[in-house]
Amino acid sequence: EAGVVQSPRYKIIEKKQPVAFWCNPISGHNTLYWYRQNLGQGPELLIRYENEEAVDDSQLPKDRFSAERLKGVDSTLKIQPAELGDSAVYLCASSLQQGLNTGELFFGEGSRLTVL
Amino acid sequence: AQSVAQPEDQVNVAEGNPLTVKCTYSVSGNPYLFWYVQYPNRGLQFLLKYITGDNLVKGSYGFEAEFNKSQTSFHLKKPSALVSDSALYFCAVRENYGQNFVFGPGTRLSVLP
Repeated sequence: EAGVVQSPRYKIIEKKQPVAFWCNPISGHNTLYWYRQNLGQGPELLIRYENEEAVDDSQLPKDRFSAERLKGVDSTLKIQPAELGDSAVYLCASSLQQGLNTGELFFGEGSRLTVL
Repeated sequence: AQSVAQPEDQVNVAEGNPLTVKCTYSVSGNPYLFWYVQYPNRGLQFLLKYITGDNLVKGSYGFEAEFNKSQTSFHLKKPSALVSDSALYFCAVRENYGQNFVFGPGTRLSVLP
């Protein structure tokens, strides 16, 4: 079974430029998460989707960040314009939620962003 | 609000010795608890989880964790550490269905040969 696939793995851009990250979750997983992980810290939630609906985007900086999950499968996270403080690893994760069963998260390898 | 604390930034242990990585949590309802491991330049890998039932949970690579409700703890343990266990370990909690996973700050484990 294929895992969560993210691209690109690494991206270096200058500040004020746009950047986009793509995530393909595990087939059949209805819940998708985007996390940001700063160096030496734990992941912090940016947005959570259940199917195609963004059910929690309270931590997403909406002035510059946007996300979408077309047809409830793949997802894209965009930053425009990027700032120096956006340098981090952006992690995508998916899980299968069935009733009260709390499925664990499956993470992709992450997309490391460096803003110069 | 739910939160997770990992009181040790770094844990050093000699190969072959038992290891413990500590985690405490705070939730208002019943906790669902998880441990993940992260190797350099990789995503997080699931190790084990506690949802309900037996307080001692066994997971991947010989790891286990004990849920202690009175102490609100979920410490990760392994009877005999390997050098290859050296990595970053994250504890996470989820409160009730539909809530998000909250991760601790991580503990770096170094197993010395």
